[in-house]
Amino acid sequence: KQEVTQIPAALSVPEGENLVLNCSFTDSAIYNLQWFRQDPGKGLTSLLLIQSSQREQTSGRLNASLDKSSGRSTLYIAASQPGDSATYLCAVRADTGFQKLVFGTGTRLLVSP
Amino acid sequence: EAQVTQNPRYLITVTGKKLTVTCSQNMNHEYMSWYRQDPGLGLRQIYYSMNVEVTDKGDVPEGYKVSRKEKRNFPLILESPSPNQTSLYFCASSRSSDGPGDEQYFGPGTRLTVT
Repeated sequence: KQEVTQIPAALSVPEGENLVLNCSFTDSAIYNLQWFRQDPGKGLTSLLLIQSSQREQTSGRLNASLDKSSGRSTLYIAASQPGDSATYLCAVRADTGFQKLVFGTGTRLLVSP
Repeated sequence: EAQVTQNPRYLITVTGKKLTVTCSQNMNHEYMSWYRQDPGLGLRQIYYSMNVEVTDKGDVPEGYKVSRKEKRNFPLILESPSPNQTSLYFCASSRSSDGPGDEQYFGPGTRLTVT
């Protein structure tokens, strides 16, 4: 059974720092991995999707990498801003089970001005 | 604007009183699903639908029903709600059921409390 773990559970940094959020999964047979941002009262927003054949994806200040063989992904946020404060969720889609996503429990990020 | 909408956003109800949470998407997506989010457990899939009239159970389907009569709508039905169904519910959609590059789009969530 696929399990997804995110460490740390919470992170507090001053504005301007570069930071890394970690995601690990137990079964390397994944179809893709998706990073989401969750803001209170606003649901989940998709940030980046990495297909199993890809190593990384970039969007603005965000860069996500995928090492399928070791069961790891990292989300790198450059020059953090207070507006980046949110919970970040990692989710993997298994090789089977169509579009079902298996989620980690998230990293709660607070960026202080 | 492309979006997934859910109604209601907040609901407090009593044990046993049937309720429906609606979900609608305007992106002509084939795939839709429901998740619940609970502290310490993350998001877990309840039901999913690969297209009109095609639905199947996810990981935690007990106590829930769904239907997919139209492509855009995927309501979640609780026939006899119980307190253990108190949770935050999300509807999601995706362009297809198996495209490896298809992102999933989530609605804003419905916070349900069953007393």
